[in-house]
Amino acid sequence: EVQIVDSGGGLAQPGGSLRLSCVASGFTFSRYWMSWVRQAPGKGLEWVANIKEDGTEKNYVDSVKGRFTLSRDNAKNSVYLQMNSLGAEDTALYYCTRGRGWVDYWGQGTVVTVSS
Amino acid sequence: DIQMTQSPSSLSASVGDRVTITCRASQGIRNNLVWYQQKAGRAPNLLIIDASTLRSGVPPRFSGSGSGTDFALTISSLQPEDVATYYCQNFDGAPPYTFGQGTKVEIK
Repeated sequence: EVQIVDSGGGLAQPGGSLRLSCVASGFTFSRYWMSWVRQAPGKGLEWVANIKEDGTEKNYVDSVKGRFTLSRDNAKNSVYLQMNSLGAEDTALYYCTRGRGWVDYWGQGTVVTVSS
Repeated sequence: DIQMTQSPSSLSASVGDRVTITCRASQGIRNNLVWYQQKAGRAPNLLIIDASTLRSGVPPRFSGSGSGTDFALTISSLQPEDVATYYCQNFDGAPPYTFGQGTKVEIK
């Protein structure tokens, strides 16, 4: 059974940083792109970033470029989203997902709140 | 970036009604479109890939159609468990892989 567990969310100050983590199981992790999708409170879904199977290609939505960095550790079946220079607009539920563009499995989400 | 526009933003229909949600892309995306269902408090669930291919396990009352810029998700006979928000997503070409703004479906 495919399982994705997100963690690392919490309260951050404006301009602060957080690191989200995601651990996957139930499939051959190193054969899949992984992505992050976020959902601001009461709002729709927003594709944030993805990372290739071997970590050699990463893509980001313009609004997070230069502030967010994706990485992965295939030995640990894990993906990490380092989020710097956080602003109120980054407040959202962040989902780790399996896939490059469309995604077929989702984590439960981890909440990021940016507030002073 | 490709913009995805869904309509309507919400609808209310009776059990057994046929319901159609449309999604329009700002440029042609071939059939590179998926649909998700998100129930309250839950992560989204993938329903349809490649515009019209039903994911395994999804009830056959759901169907997708379209190509290019205009797409539709149809529920042939609305059931109470279909109450949810539905999203389309483009995955054509280079990222970002934008979502539509969502359509909230309720029972009348």
